[in-house]
Amino acid sequence: DSGVTQTPKHLITATGQRVTLRCSPRSGDLSVYWYQQSLDQGLQFLIQYYNGEERAKGNILERFSAQQFPDLHSELNLSSLELGDSALYFCASSSRTFYGYTFGSGTRLTVV
Amino acid sequence: AQSVAQPEDQVNVAEGNPLTVKCTYSVSGNPYLFWYVQYPNRGLQFLLKYITGDNLVKGSYGFEAEFNKSQTSFHLKKPSALVSDSALYFCAVRPESGSARQLTFGSGTQLTVLP
Repeated sequence: DSGVTQTPKHLITATGQRVTLRCSPRSGDLSVYWYQQSLDQGLQFLIQYYNGEERAKGNILERFSAQQFPDLHSELNLSSLELGDSALYFCASSSRTFYGYTFGSGTRLTVV
Repeated sequence: AQSVAQPEDQVNVAEGNPLTVKCTYSVSGNPYLFWYVQYPNRGLQFLLKYITGDNLVKGSYGFEAEFNKSQTSFHLKKPSALVSDSALYFCAVRPESGSARQLTFGSGTQLTVLP
């Protein structure tokens, strides 16, 4: 157990729908990162939050949004889902002393 | 912007033989370099990192990596491969300072250790 918790582990939904993915960072970590892993595009950085504020944005679609709450958990909202959004979505957290990231086990999203 | 290249999609090696997974990077300023491993249907697990100091870094499960600044490389190595090392390996880089300090990952290298 890495200490980063992601729910749900699996999600199957239809095109056009909206889903919410949840992430709880390791205790004490203030930064949360979201990544998308697909077969054709590898690991793509989506967005970073630090202590409740958006810190950096990557290749995140306008249909996607995220937020980090006062208790530091984060949610990634995906709307108007398309077949191409099917992927593994990872959350990671980091601390000032580690420099790298600790990853959760991911949410596998399947859009049908 | 930073980038990472893992030139081999697939590396096959016999059990007991040494293995190398290649990584080159591009970043402004000093790099922080990482190797992660991903087993099927699992998240990425940290193996080792280079921040500063000795160019040879030792990590988990007997893996090590050598930082070569002139060649901008950070190859992952292990003296004797195990079948259980078979997995997907990712190299990642981030700059020491600046606004874009998120990790950028390579495309991954699938390592298969043959019994």
